[in-house]
Amino acid sequence: AAGVIQSPRHLIKEKRETATLKCYPIPRHDTVYWYQQGPGQDPQFLISFYEKMQSDKGSIPDRFSAQQFSDYHSELNMSSLELGDSALYFCASSLGNGNEQYFGPGTRLTVT
Amino acid sequence: QQQVKQSPQSLIVQKGGISIINCAYENTAFDYFPWYQQFPGKGPALLIAIRPDVSEKKEGRFTISFNKSAKQFSLHIMDSQPGDSATYFCAATPNTGNQFYFGTGTSLTVIP
Repeated sequence: AAGVIQSPRHLIKEKRETATLKCYPIPRHDTVYWYQQGPGQDPQFLISFYEKMQSDKGSIPDRFSAQQFSDYHSELNMSSLELGDSALYFCASSLGNGNEQYFGPGTRLTVT
Repeated sequence: QQQVKQSPQSLIVQKGGISIINCAYENTAFDYFPWYQQFPGKGPALLIAIRPDVSEKKEGRFTISFNKSAKQFSLHIMDSQPGDSATYFCAATPNTGNQFYFGTGTSLTVIP
């Protein structure tokens, strides 16, 4: 079965640079979620979109923004990167709002 | 503030034994409780989930026990196998939103 696709899988950026992470949900899933997971930590919810509208917002820094496009894929834009932004970024998708979330393989972002 | 408290932090079990991981929460608005399994460098994979209208749910070797009055739920892995060695996260989501609040994770090691 098709899963959530994230690209790139690995990304190395320098401080103050920008990064864009992409997420392609499971076909027919209309809800996308973004999480940040630091080393040895639990995933922290950043933001979610349902039917291309922001549906919930968590601990997403103001330097980050995200959107969901008409084909339901989503992009997380990160600007003025800081060393502390180094983490695994997961995208999850679900069919409908508030249902089972299926996670992608993640993007490992390293900020040097 | 950790909305879902998980214990133990780490667990070592002999092959064939029972692994038990516990979670507790305070927010009575939580109405969906999934468990995720995560291998190093991979995304969390949905194992099993429960809603508060049932006290137990079993899928194969995995069982969730749910105690609504105590606001606690636990994962039992029967006949634990070395391949079960991973980090397990409990989570909860409220009926008013769709973000997951994760526990801090339990690193399970099953020794042959």
